[in-house]
Amino acid sequence: SYVLTQPPSVSVAPGKTARITCGGNKIGSKSVHWYRQKPGQAPVLVIYYDTDRPSGIPERFSGSNSGNTATLTISRVEAGDEADYYCQVWDSNSDHYVFGIGTKVTVL
Amino acid sequence: EVQLVQSGAEVKKPGDSLKISCKISGYSFTMYWIGWVRQMPGKGLEWMGIIHPLDSDTKYSPSFEGQVTISADKSLNTAYLKWNSLTPSDTAIYYCARHSGSYYDFYYYGLDVWGQGTTVTVSS
Repeated sequence: SYVLTQPPSVSVAPGKTARITCGGNKIGSKSVHWYRQKPGQAPVLVIYYDTDRPSGIPERFSGSNSGNTATLTISRVEAGDEADYYCQVWDSNSDHYVFGIGTKVTVL
Repeated sequence: EVQLVQSGAEVKKPGDSLKISCKISGYSFTMYWIGWVRQMPGKGLEWMGIIHPLDSDTKYSPSFEGQVTISADKSLNTAYLKWNSLTPSDTAIYYCARHSGSYYDFYYYGLDVWGQGTTVTVSS
């Protein structure tokens, strides 16, 4: 089964840039989605198809995907960005989705 | 407004059966795949499976195949997740969510609308 690797935690100061990585074998050939989940809430899609933002998601959120690493970048981090972030891809070999373990973003 | 409204919290005993629901409104139910996601207490998201309400085509994660049944009722605009025999390890929040995109390219679009979650507690 396809495995996605995320760092358990990332810390960032307000106003700085947070980068959350998602590693997987040739992940650059797959479509990566990213979700934000705040405590007690359902997840929210923040990036789909590697780089696209759903309506309502600020431009501060961006994505990239190449080789064996996809990255979610949050620019000008705000206190409200503190949450768990999950990457997700479709494993076409076994016809199912896979989530990463999630990265807890802490705003210092 | 697109909404996925899930059934309420459940408290069950080991060995009980359970069927939780996800009622869709605000779009045509038969247009998009609907998926289920598990989140155990304090843990991450786990994708369980999806169903397309048009023809009830279903895909399961290997971790959940045979453990749960996903179904849909077009007449009620509702998707379901069912267990025949619960165990304490089924204690979790279960979310339904819509996979946007077409029947064949949904995996390019992600889960764009989520239900509020159903908490299932299994304890003797």
